[in-house]
Amino acid sequence: DAKTTQPTSMDCAEGRAANLPCNHSTISGNEYVYWYRQIHSQGPQYIIHGLKNNETNEMASLIITEDRKSSTLILPHATLRDTAVYYCIAHNDYKLSFGAGTTVTVRA
Amino acid sequence: NAGVMQNPRHLVRRRGQEARLRCSPMKGHSHVYWYRQLPEEGLKFMVYLQKENIIDESGMPKERFSAEFPKEGPSILRIQQVVRGDSAAYFCASSPRAGPSTDTQYFGPGTRLTVL
Repeated sequence: DAKTTQPTSMDCAEGRAANLPCNHSTISGNEYVYWYRQIHSQGPQYIIHGLKNNETNEMASLIITEDRKSSTLILPHATLRDTAVYYCIAHNDYKLSFGAGTTVTVRA
Repeated sequence: NAGVMQNPRHLVRRRGQEARLRCSPMKGHSHVYWYRQLPEEGLKFMVYLQKENIIDESGMPKERFSAEFPKEGPSILRIQQVVRGDSAAYFCASSPRAGPSTDTQYFGPGTRLTVL
């Protein structure tokens, strides 16, 4: 898996969009970008994934740069329940490699 | 559609005892993965199984740990003669398929093992 770099932590105001960056400058052509989150030691929750194109689902949007060296996860309207550790993973096989992630704190 | 089920959610064992952790994958999923999360650390891959086959156990300690996914029933992660260092959260994930391309893994709630 390509190494990913994420900020250690970030705060976000409730109701505002949360933009979570991820750098994966060594990503290879067949590696997908996956995002998971872990809320207070619960099991990791799948959020979204993409290869080249931007993706959107009911939880979030994923913006991948044209050179695929970085991406941004967007939570459009953050709520207190979005407080969690967010993991960005670049991989193309079954072994997910979880780094330290970004601890996101949503404040009222 | 029920998600990945794990039980027990919490397990306390004394040093030297055996721990058995069970995982029922999502309906229609035939691929199971086990991960371990030590305190204050990220999840680490342990083993990947399909029905009746261990595909990759490269992340699992060579001694005391074993895993199976029988034709019928849940996947079992077994830890023999537990030591305090085995205290961790053990997560199971499942996917409908796996291969050269990725397939989304869905995680269970985990089993928190405490070794006294």
